[in-house]
Amino acid sequence: GESVGLHLPTLSVQEGDNSIINCAYSNSASDYFIWYKQESGKGPQFIIDIRSNMDKRQGQRVTVLLNKTVKHLSLQIAATQPGDSAVYFCAENNPRRGTSYGKLTFGQGTILTVHP
Amino acid sequence: EADIYQTPRYLVIGTGKKITLECSQTMGHDKMYWYQQDPGMELHLIHYSYGVNSTEKGDLSSESTVSRIRTEHFPLTLESARPSHTSQYLCASSISGNTIYFGEGSWLTVV
Repeated sequence: GESVGLHLPTLSVQEGDNSIINCAYSNSASDYFIWYKQESGKGPQFIIDIRSNMDKRQGQRVTVLLNKTVKHLSLQIAATQPGDSAVYFCAENNPRRGTSYGKLTFGQGTILTVHP
Repeated sequence: EADIYQTPRYLVIGTGKKITLECSQTMGHDKMYWYQQDPGMELHLIHYSYGVNSTEKGDLSSESTVSRIRTEHFPLTLESARPSHTSQYLCASSISGNTIYFGEGSWLTVV
């Protein structure tokens, strides 16, 4: 069935390093992908999104790369800071599931820990 | 910063009690959702609404019910809480149907 999974459940980096969080998705029909950051005790916070007609999108210190050939999504965080420590979820939207209803499929999450 | 609010944030109740989790958004979003999330796990959609007086079940079966009488309000009710209902409940909303914005969550513990 449909699934969105993360390769690395935990990632530890040093402050100032660049971080890369990976995500694999199985449904080639998915046309929209979102990365969320969830800090302890809080709801997921939107970071960046990308549509399937793009392969790269940049935000402030973050870049999302989409490789549709291998159905792989990654989130790159530049100059990682202790405040970036959180759980990161990727989510996909499959239009067959009703695009307009926001039926996103979420992965399990990657725990990012940034050491000072 | 999304303007979506959930109350209570934390609640401990006894088995068999009725509980309503409140969710309000001030962004005028037409679509609203309830997700359930266990610690460290993915989010599962349990209810959604695409407008006033419309509600649908999500992907994960839930014994909870919802109502949408006003655009900004989407409460979730458990008529008789059980320990298996212990979880975090996240309310969300969107206007485009793609990017959805979440509230801070309601942590429910049923003892």
